[in-house]
Amino acid sequence: DIVMTQSPDSLAVSLGERATMNCKSSQSVLSRSNNKNYLAWYRQKPGQSPELLIYWAVIRESGVPDRFSGSGSGTDFTLTISNLQAEDVAVYYCQQHLSTPPTFGRGTKVEI
Amino acid sequence: QVQLVQSGSELKKPGASVKVSCKASGYNFNNYDMNWVRQAPGQGLEWMGWIQTSSGNPGYAQGFTGRFVFSVDTSVSTTYLQITSLEPEDSAVYYCARGGIGWFWDSWGQGTRVAVSS
Repeated sequence: DIVMTQSPDSLAVSLGERATMNCKSSQSVLSRSNNKNYLAWYRQKPGQSPELLIYWAVIRESGVPDRFSGSGSGTDFTLTISNLQAEDVAVYYCQQHLSTPPTFGRGTKVEI
Repeated sequence: QVQLVQSGSELKKPGASVKVSCKASGYNFNNYDMNWVRQAPGQGLEWMGWIQTSSGNPGYAQGFTGRFVFSVDTSVSTTYLQITSLEPEDSAVYYCARGGIGWFWDSWGQGTRVAVSS
């Protein structure tokens, strides 16, 4: 199975500032057939179910604000939240969707 | 809009069974697989497997074979997760999540909390 490692475990950011978190996979999630990175990001607000933010490493899901951006390739990825809002207090999970079983990181908790 | 509505919380004794439902609306049910994801208390997310809603064929992740059964009733656009011989370690929130163009999930149910305690 592909192991996903997220860092840091938690971070505190002021409202309006930028939050940056990382995700590393134990093997590349770049598909040579279509040159896409099979990496998704989810936000899970307290007491709620996860919601998809980004897939294929850089594609924002419909309706997701453009303050969320994904970057990276191969084994190293980053989720950046610019202009942090109060509603962004949550745990953020990365997930590889290249192969089964799809696997998640342990999450990064974002606090104000 | 797409909605996945799950059944309510359950409190069960060890050895009992539980059946969680996930009712879909707002899209063509047969066109999307349904996945199940477990979140143990204070823990992360763990993929349990999926079911092809059009055929009823399930696929289980390692660690979720034997006591875990996915099923579907297309007449009511609902998928089910049944867990038999419950153990305290099965205590968790169980989510259904709609599959799409890949192994990621764009819509999730609200979650069903299953507590197993004597």
